[in-house]
Amino acid sequence: NAGVMQNPRHLVRRRGQEARLRCSPMKGHSHVYWYRQLPEEGLKFMVYLQKENIIDESGMPKERFSAEFPKEGPSILRIQQVVRGDSAAYFCASSPQGANQPQHFGDGTRLSIL
Amino acid sequence: GENVEQHPSTLSVQEGDSAVIKCTYSDSASNYFPWYKQELGKRPQLIIDIRSNVGEKKDQRIAVTLNKTAKHFSLHITETQPEDSAVYFCAADSYNNNDMRFGAGTRLTVKP
Repeated sequence: NAGVMQNPRHLVRRRGQEARLRCSPMKGHSHVYWYRQLPEEGLKFMVYLQKENIIDESGMPKERFSAEFPKEGPSILRIQQVVRGDSAAYFCASSPQGANQPQHFGDGTRLSIL
Repeated sequence: GENVEQHPSTLSVQEGDSAVIKCTYSDSASNYFPWYKQELGKRPQLIIDIRSNVGEKKDQRIAVTLNKTAKHFSLHITETQPEDSAVYFCAADSYNNNDMRFGAGTRLTVKP
């Protein structure tokens, strides 16, 4: 049973470009969470999705950031017009249900903005 | 929504000593409290969890205690080893948002 798969592992973008981060949850998991982690800091919640629905996006900036989890395919975290401050590790986690269940993390995508 | 606070932010112990990390939470409806270990450059990994109907849980050298009245829970690591060095995160579920909130993390260093 493959774990949570994130790609790419490393992504380099220039300021103003778009970044697309992908996350395939564990088999049987329909709940996906995205977190952002700056060096030497904790996990900051961004968004929580179920298939085709955004449940909670309170941690995601209103501008430039969007997330989706379509019926088919991986969850996508999209950052438009990236800026230097977007450089961070972005982790995805999945669980079979929402609250009250362990979340399993992917290896993360390290985003670097030149 | 849920607010989780974690202390200390850094902890240094001698090999063989015990380490204790404490967390408090704000949502009295929270029922699930996992702990994650994150080694440098790697993914957070679940090491132990506890549910609100249990006051203590142990797995070899790791134990977690929960005080629901006081809304705090703690991670205890006994006989620490250098490979225990990592960042540890506590978390609590949030029924307001049906998801999980994490503490800021504790960097544990075990000196050989």
